[in-house]
Amino acid sequence: GEDVEQSLFLSVREGDSSVINCTYTDSSSTYLYWYKQEPGAGLQLLTYIFSNMDMKQDQRLTVLLNKKDKHLSLRIADTQTGDSAIYFCAEAYNTDKLIFGTGTRLQVFP
Amino acid sequence: DSGVTQTPKHLITATGQRVTLRCSPRSGDLSVYWYQQSLDQGLQFLIQYYNGEERAKGNILERFSAQQFPDLHSELNLSSLELGDSALYFCASSVVAGVNEQFFGPGTRLTVL
Repeated sequence: GEDVEQSLFLSVREGDSSVINCTYTDSSSTYLYWYKQEPGAGLQLLTYIFSNMDMKQDQRLTVLLNKKDKHLSLRIADTQTGDSAIYFCAEAYNTDKLIFGTGTRLQVFP
Repeated sequence: DSGVTQTPKHLITATGQRVTLRCSPRSGDLSVYWYQQSLDQGLQFLIQYYNGEERAKGNILERFSAQQFPDLHSELNLSSLELGDSALYFCASSVVAGVNEQFFGPGTRLTVL
């Protein structure tokens, strides 16, 4: 089945690292994505990882993929107030549609 | 700015009415996707078009329909509107079909009263 789960909230202090977690059920997922949604805005693609990779780093963002546990995480280093948003993970398997998680609301406080 | 445009930004209408949402993909993108974001259902895939033809269908109601025109813009038609159709409707585009990066527009917020 297709189901992607995320915790609903995460609160971190400015300058700390944030880790947003995601679990998925379709072990055949080919691509896994992270999107960011700021208030009143659309979805911004942050990064993605192929299922044959374990890790991908892109500036302050690090994506870790544990295929055995079907677990995906997004680490944001040196979190800033501008990182406050809702973060969605999404999976795609041999189809064009994205299956989105419930979204994690990240709040960064000074 | 993703390069995907959607109009209108906001739409308020009454139950039973029909509305049309419009999407212009990024220049060069052939594939257009429609998603619905609501509080109770989250973000759900509705339908995809590729170069004018329907390619994939998700949880789209029979009251909803879409099309992609020769100039590649797309329209999502919602009819016999119900209160539960109130949501944010996103359009996304990608260069080709198949698993690849999708770029999202800012969305159209539909309120059905």
